[in-house]
Amino acid sequence: RKEVEQDPGPFNVPEGATVAFNCTYSNSASQSFFWYRQDCRKEPKLLMSVYSSGNEDGRFTAQLNRASQYISLLIRDSKLSDSATYLCVAKNFGNEKLTFGTGTRLTIIP
Amino acid sequence: DVKVTQSSRYLVKRTGEKVFLECVQDMDHENMFWYRQDPGLGLRLIYFSYDVKMKEKGDIPEGYSVSREKKERFSLILESASTNQTSMYLCASGTGGFYGYTFGSGTRLTVV
Repeated sequence: RKEVEQDPGPFNVPEGATVAFNCTYSNSASQSFFWYRQDCRKEPKLLMSVYSSGNEDGRFTAQLNRASQYISLLIRDSKLSDSATYLCVAKNFGNEKLTFGTGTRLTIIP
Repeated sequence: DVKVTQSSRYLVKRTGEKVFLECVQDMDHENMFWYRQDPGLGLRLIYFSYDVKMKEKGDIPEGYSVSREKKERFSLILESASTNQTSMYLCASGTGGFYGYTFGSGTRLTVV
């Protein structure tokens, strides 16, 4: 079983729609979590950190459920520029390693 | 903004060659990492380092070594390149705790 699992998609969503991704993690020692965005043939870029209380950044909302060991990302009013692969990431305190999911590919359709 | 610079964007090397991939960060970060990314496999950790002259094996260290002589520079070495090391190599740096890491723009290595 992979340490961080995501639905690979692809998700093809019309512009303006709301889309949600989920991710599960298996290592209970994971302490902090992130969503990264990766455009085709580019490096991953940090989109947002994920906190237990949930956090919002404009159209993006991230939530963490420690009891069920899953993380979510919600994108509202999706734009064409949101088309990318979204990577779910867990970090363990102590060794500071990031463990990545394989990513969920999102395409926003005009 | 943190800048993580990888020396080459594209590299073509022959089987058996010794290959050096360089990574430099400008934010005095303690932690630096080397990942490789392959279709369907995601990002896999090769080696990481918490400080100068310190190194730790990641999940797939075989065939690789690293060097960290200065805090800002972390080098990945392919001792004898093989075709199965054809991949995108990504360097990252950051601090501990609740902060994410910043990636360099990657080196796409092809071994022929």
